[in-house]
Amino acid sequence: DSGVTQTPKHLITATGQRVTLRCSPRSGDLSVYWYQQSLDQGLQFLIQYYNGEERAKGNILERFSAQQFPDLHSELNLSSLELGDSALYFCASSLVGAGGYTFGSGTRLTVV
Amino acid sequence: DQQVKQNSPSLSVQEGRISILNCDYTNSMFDYFLWYKKYPAEGPTFLISISSIKDKNEDGRFTVFLNKSAKHLSLHIVPSQPGDSAVYFCAASHIQGAQKLVFGQGTRLTINP
Repeated sequence: DSGVTQTPKHLITATGQRVTLRCSPRSGDLSVYWYQQSLDQGLQFLIQYYNGEERAKGNILERFSAQQFPDLHSELNLSSLELGDSALYFCASSLVGAGGYTFGSGTRLTVV
Repeated sequence: DQQVKQNSPSLSVQEGRISILNCDYTNSMFDYFLWYKKYPAEGPTFLISISSIKDKNEDGRFTVFLNKSAKHLSLHIVPSQPGDSAVYFCAASHIQGAQKLVFGQGTRLTINP
């Protein structure tokens, strides 16, 4: 157990639908990062939050949004889902200033 | 724009031999480099890192080498063990920036008995 909790582990949904992925960071970590991994691709950075505020944005689609709540958990919202959104979505957390992350075990999203 | 590249999608090595995984980067602002290991159905786990002020960092069987002039880093695993079979990702960041990590595409390492 890495200390970063992601739910659900698996999600199957239809095109056009909306889903919410949830992440609880490791205790004490203020930064949360979301990454997408599609079909043996590398990890693509989506977005970072630090202590409730958006800190950095990557190649995140406009159909996707995220937020970090006062208790530091984060949610990634994916809407108007397309087949190409099927992927593993990883959340990671870190202390600011630390160079490495701790990853959760991911949510596997399948859009049918 | 792939700022971090792992050009070998897969590598097969005999148990007991040395495994060498390579990574190239293009962004000269990167000053911190990491290797992550990923097993199926799990998230990546941190393996070893190196700051740009060093050219080598060692941790047990794992050594990372950094060649800043060539913008190249490598991970050496000696001796390789069957449990090392996994996907290895290299990652880079600008430590004073947003700390977001840029990952390569990964190399699948298979250790053969």
